[in-house]
Amino acid sequence: DTAVSQTPKYLVTQMGNDKSIKCEQNLGHDTMYWYKQDSKKFLKIMFSYNNKELIINETVPNRFSPKSPDKAHLNLHINSLELGDSAVYFCASSHSGRTDTQYFGPGTRLTVL
Amino acid sequence: GESVGLHLPTLSVQEGDNSIINCAYSNSASDYFIWYKQESGKGPQFIIDIRSNMDKRQGQRVTVLLNKTVKHLSLQIAATQPGDSAVYFCATHFGNEKLTFGTGTRLTIIP
Repeated sequence: DTAVSQTPKYLVTQMGNDKSIKCEQNLGHDTMYWYKQDSKKFLKIMFSYNNKELIINETVPNRFSPKSPDKAHLNLHINSLELGDSAVYFCASSHSGRTDTQYFGPGTRLTVL
Repeated sequence: GESVGLHLPTLSVQEGDNSIINCAYSNSASDYFIWYKQESGKGPQFIIDIRSNMDKRQGQRVTVLLNKTVKHLSLQIAATQPGDSAVYFCATHFGNEKLTFGTGTRLTIIP
């Protein structure tokens, strides 16, 4: 009955590979997000979707492509992984609107070797 | 753009004492402020929020103070417990949907 879930929790892969991280929320929220947290714990938003429509797209390499098959899911696909992509990626969701509380998933720790 | 900073990267407090975590923000147009708690290996968890038309808001053992004049936000935790040990982030909203996080303060509760 987890509110925001992500899979996998850990992901170790070689440089140049393509990988996906999945996110699902069962809160009935309209808006979902992807954040990247670096080794210094700095959290930065990458993407935001509202009802399957992209509304925030920060300066993120084209190798990162979010996909929202429905408003309960927001997956993150990463092509041609690089060492600098190693980080913890968090999915989050909110009801709607910018002042609604965001609920975060448990994170996916991506390690690129 | 917005920058959000924290005055202290680490803070150690004796169990039972009160703790105060401070945060400075740069954009005077920020109108919504949130504190998150992140325990080791977990995602950030909402603690308390405050809108710019308020200067104080209280929750259970937590109080957030907002000083818009100096663009300063603080989180007070009363009677700290071991479970309060975590990294605390302040975050601000302005303009669009984007939430800008501060760099985090690691709070350690000493038994």
